[in-house]
Amino acid sequence: AQTVTQSQPEMSVQEAETVTLSCTYDTSESDYYLFWYKQPPSRQMILVIRQEAYKQQNATENRFSVNFQKAAKSFSLKISDSQLGDAAMYFCAYTASGTYKYIFGTGTRLKVLA
Amino acid sequence: GAVVSQHPSWVICKSGTSVKIECRSLDFQATTMFWYRQFPKQSLMLMATSNEGSKATYEQGVEKDKFLINHASLTLSTLTVTSAHPEDSSFYICSASGAGDTQYFGPGTRLTVL
Repeated sequence: AQTVTQSQPEMSVQEAETVTLSCTYDTSESDYYLFWYKQPPSRQMILVIRQEAYKQQNATENRFSVNFQKAAKSFSLKISDSQLGDAAMYFCAYTASGTYKYIFGTGTRLKVLA
Repeated sequence: GAVVSQHPSWVICKSGTSVKIECRSLDFQATTMFWYRQFPKQSLMLMATSNEGSKATYEQGVEKDKFLINHASLTLSTLTVTSAHPEDSSFYICSASGAGDTQYFGPGTRLTVL
């Protein structure tokens, strides 16, 4: 069975610093997608970044980048120049290509300290 | 682009009544829509998957007669909680996907059953 594990229930980062959130997954599929979603206090789920498994290049979206290690089944999120607005729950998600169903991790609460 | 709306954002109802929640994709056609339930400080729990024009597929343990899902068009899915009871109080989130594997989420509906 496919699983997604986020081992850090809570993380803190100083404003303007860099933080890395961890995510590992388990699957026997070769074609899949990985995502990071942000859920601020409003509870609106916001797509942060998306990675296709067949792409070796790590995805980047402005201050957000991932370190995708396919062999190790690791998918960490790096947030650079952290801002107060980055404070939120971050969920890692996996979907096998064509199934459309997500498997979510348990989330990491990120606190940004001024 | 890829905006999903949900209505209402908050509903309070009496025990035994039914409540309908609407989920709309505003700027794309959603071939598949998903309904999640989220308890405080927990991850999202998938309740069901619906495809336009066909019956929803419910996850194990979800009562399909209690949580009625209708996906009448490519832009609208509804979730009806029938004969609601206090234990049904929760945060319900819908998401939609078009041709790809990315889900876009609505802002959620807080249901309180008195």
